[in-house]
Amino acid sequence: EVQLVESGGGLVQPGGSLRLSCAASGFTFSTSWISWVRQAPGKGLEWVTTMKFDGSEKFYVDSVKGRFTISRDNAKNSVYLQMNGLRAEDTAVYYCAREGPFESSTWSDYWGQGTLVTVSS
Amino acid sequence: DIAVTQSPDSLAVSLGERATINCKSSQSVLHSSSNKNFLAWYQHKPGQAPKLLIYWASTRESGVPDRFSGSGSGTDFTLTISSLQAEDVAVYYCQQYYSTPKTFGGGTKVEIK
Repeated sequence: EVQLVESGGGLVQPGGSLRLSCAASGFTFSTSWISWVRQAPGKGLEWVTTMKFDGSEKFYVDSVKGRFTISRDNAKNSVYLQMNGLRAEDTAVYYCAREGPFESSTWSDYWGQGTLVTVSS
Repeated sequence: DIAVTQSPDSLAVSLGERATINCKSSQSVLHSSSNKNFLAWYQHKPGQAPKLLIYWASTRESGVPDRFSGSGSGTDFTLTISSLQAEDVAVYYCQQYYSTPKTFGGGTKVEIK
């Protein structure tokens, strides 16, 4: 069974940092692209970042470029999202999602339950 | 960036009736070399993980009931629920994956009339 479990969310002050983790199981992690998608309170889904299975390609939405960094450890079947310089508008539930083993980024076929990040003083 | 807009924002449909959701991209998401439309549909219920319904605009994900269907090409797409069931109450999103940022539509909330 495919599972993605996010952790690391919480309350952080504006300007602070947080590192989210996503532990994957039930599939071949080392051949899967992984994305982070967020949903702010009362809003829709927003794609944040995607990373290729070998780490050679990373893409970010403009609003987080220079502040967020996606990384992965294929030996630990885990992906991470380092979030620095957090702003109130980063407050959201952050979902980790798996993509297929393609040469380019595609759709997300499995999603975690999400972890809540709240940026507030 | 490719902008994606959905309509309507919400709709109420009687049980057993058809629900139709529209999705429009600001530029074509039809990949010329593969002749595939780079568009997916998701269902999202409160407190749950989003669920993939459709990819390549019209290919149903394994296990998704056949009352869900996707159609369209280029810039205009439709998700149809042929006979609405109570468990279909959710917010539905389209997403283009033709280019990054992989933008989502704003969502359509489907309720029972």
